Amino acid sequence: DIQMTQSPSIVSASEGDRVTISCRASQNINIWLAWYQQKPGKAPKLLIYKASNLESGVPSRFSGSGSGTEFILTISSLQPDDFATYYCQQYNSLLYSFGQGTKLEIK
Amino acid sequence: QVQVVQSGAEVKKPGASVKVSCKTSGYTFTNYGISWVRQAPGQGLEWMGRISAYTGNTNYAQKFQGRVTMTTDTATGTAYMELRSLRSDDTAVYYCAREKFTGGQAPFADWGQGTLVSVSS
Repeated sequence: DIQMTQSPSIVSASEGDRVTISCRASQNINIWLAWYQQKPGKAPKLLIYKASNLESGVPSRFSGSGSGTEFILTISSLQPDDFATYYCQQYNSLLYSFGQGTKLEIK
Repeated sequence: QVQVVQSGAEVKKPGASVKVSCKTSGYTFTNYGISWVRQAPGQGLEWMGRISAYTGNTNYAQKFQGRVTMTTDTATGTAYMELRSLRSDDTAVYYCAREKFTGGQAPFADWGQGTLVSVSS
């Protein structure tokens, strides 16, 4: 199975800050990576797919990059609504897996 | 629009089984795969497996092999996940999610609201 490792586990930031979250795959997954945002008590929401494609309706301050084993989610200017937990997910094969999550907290 | 509605909360005793349903509408059911994802209290997302609604073929995470069965009813557009031999650490919110693209190997565009399964003696 492919293991996904996110860093950091927790990040503290302020409104207006630029934030990056990393995700590393244990083997090459090409560009088959998605990012999700989850708020307490809610289902996850798809933000980015195929490493860098923005899901419809997602603000352009969110962007994704990377390929192979190293990926990054960037939020260019944090808004109050962005404080949540973020997960990466690989779908390189039909055995999917998630990273452990990164909690974005208000500093 | 696409809707994904799951069955209600369940309380089970250790050793029992649970079957959660996931009723979909607003799209051609057999064109997309459905995955099941669970989240224990205060923990991250854990992918359990997926089913092709077209072929019925399943792929299960190794951790759940032998203990989980995923099925579909194409007539009603409903997917099911049965987990057997429940333990206390199976207490979690269980989500179903529809894949964004046909053919498999796709992220999850539409999620159910989640079903809390509590396992306690």
